[in-house]
Amino acid sequence: GQQVMQIPQYQHVQEGEDFTTYCNSSTTLSNIQWYKQRPGGHPVFLIQLVKSGEVKKQKRLTFQFGEAKKNSSLHITATQTTDVGTYFCAGWASGSARQLTFGSGTQLTVLP
Amino acid sequence: NAGVTQTPKFRVLKTGQSMTLLCAQDMNHEYMYWYRQDPGMGLRLIHYSVGEGTTAKGEVPDGYNVSRLKKQNFLLGLESAAPSQTSVYFCASSPGQGWGTEQFFGPGTRLTVL
Repeated sequence: GQQVMQIPQYQHVQEGEDFTTYCNSSTTLSNIQWYKQRPGGHPVFLIQLVKSGEVKKQKRLTFQFGEAKKNSSLHITATQTTDVGTYFCAGWASGSARQLTFGSGTQLTVLP
Repeated sequence: NAGVTQTPKFRVLKTGQSMTLLCAQDMNHEYMYWYRQDPGMGLRLIHYSVGEGTTAKGEVPDGYNVSRLKKQNFLLGLESAAPSQTSVYFCASSPGQGWGTEQFFGPGTRLTVL
């Protein structure tokens, strides 16, 4: 079945440093979504990418969808303590079982 | 709007006991989902529903049953709880064509099975 791998599993950064998490799918995706989960909270949708090579920005966050639509990345510039949480990617492959497949997440800790 | 709500927030069960988790949404969404979240494993889909009166199996359906008798409610049942079902359970909903749209998550239910 479809698998979505996410690395790294954990990342500790000093406040102000950059952070990147990577997502790789075993199959070509129709779309990929990114969610953020604060400690003790629930996942909250950040963005969806659909087109090959697509790049979207939200303030200090930059999201990319690979040309082959099998990988994606989330980059945070100049991290802040408010960025703490776990970031999940979730992909859907058309023609597969009708469900999003979530990556295992990257837990980000920002040290002040 | 309350969005997606879940009850209860916490529950402790003994092995073999049964319980029902309730999810409610007030956004008139067609699609609803039940996920479980375990450390290091992300979110795994248990069951989902694409509309009132319909349900389907997800990635990890064994040991769970669901019902969607009303559009706004999605119930998850455990008939005979096992320690392996200790987890955090999240309900989510999305508009039609949910696989291509944002999912809205509830606050979660933390279940411990002793």
